Amino acid sequence: QVQLQESGPGLVKPSETLSLTCTVSGASISSYYWSWIRQPPGKGLEWIAYIYYTGSTNYNPSLKSRVTISLDTSKNQFSLKLSSVTAADTAVYYCARLPRLYWYFDLWGRGTLVTVSS
Amino acid sequence: IVLTQSPGTLSLSPGERATLSCRASQSVSTTYLAWYQQKPGQAPRLLIYGTSSRATGIPDRFSGSGSGTDFTLTISRLEPEDFAVYYCQQYGSLPLTFGPGTKVDIK
Repeated sequence: QVQLQESGPGLVKPSETLSLTCTVSGASISSYYWSWIRQPPGKGLEWIAYIYYTGSTNYNPSLKSRVTISLDTSKNQFSLKLSSVTAADTAVYYCARLPRLYWYFDLWGRGTLVTVSS
Repeated sequence: IVLTQSPGTLSLSPGERATLSCRASQSVSTTYLAWYQQKPGQAPRLLIYGTSSRATGIPDRFSGSGSGTDFTLTISRLEPEDFAVYYCQQYGSLPLTFGPGTKVDIK
């Protein structure tokens, strides 16, 4: 059974960099697209970025200047870095899998709440 | 592509039929429209992809239809576990976008 698990600090200070990792178990990270999506408390979903196992990436233009997505095939993990965070970046961050040919999200992690506060 | 969903909230009783709408700001190929269900404290779950294809394990009371800019998710007979928020998503063009959601709650 394929599972995704987010990990990282739950509290980040304003202006610092948010760093999260998604560990994939039950399947190889090679062969799929992998993505980050976030959801501010009580609000809707926002796609952040995706990465293919080849290293090809794509970012939401609204966040592109502050986001880096990367992967580590040896650890079967992919990661998110979001720089210069503000309170507006407080959200539940989900990692998710996309089928190879289409960009919908067929498998999600449980999500992790990241709060930006001093 | 901006997606709008209506109504914002749908109040229904178990056993009733739910019809949820998703409208796109420009045409979306039927190949590239998905629906998700989200319950409180949980991650979204894929229900429908390609406008009308049910994801693995999704009961047949869930169905999707539509084309162009207008898409619909129908729940034929609401079960107690169906009360949740539903989001549509387009994946025909980047950036990938979601609608704001429709909450289906118990009347």
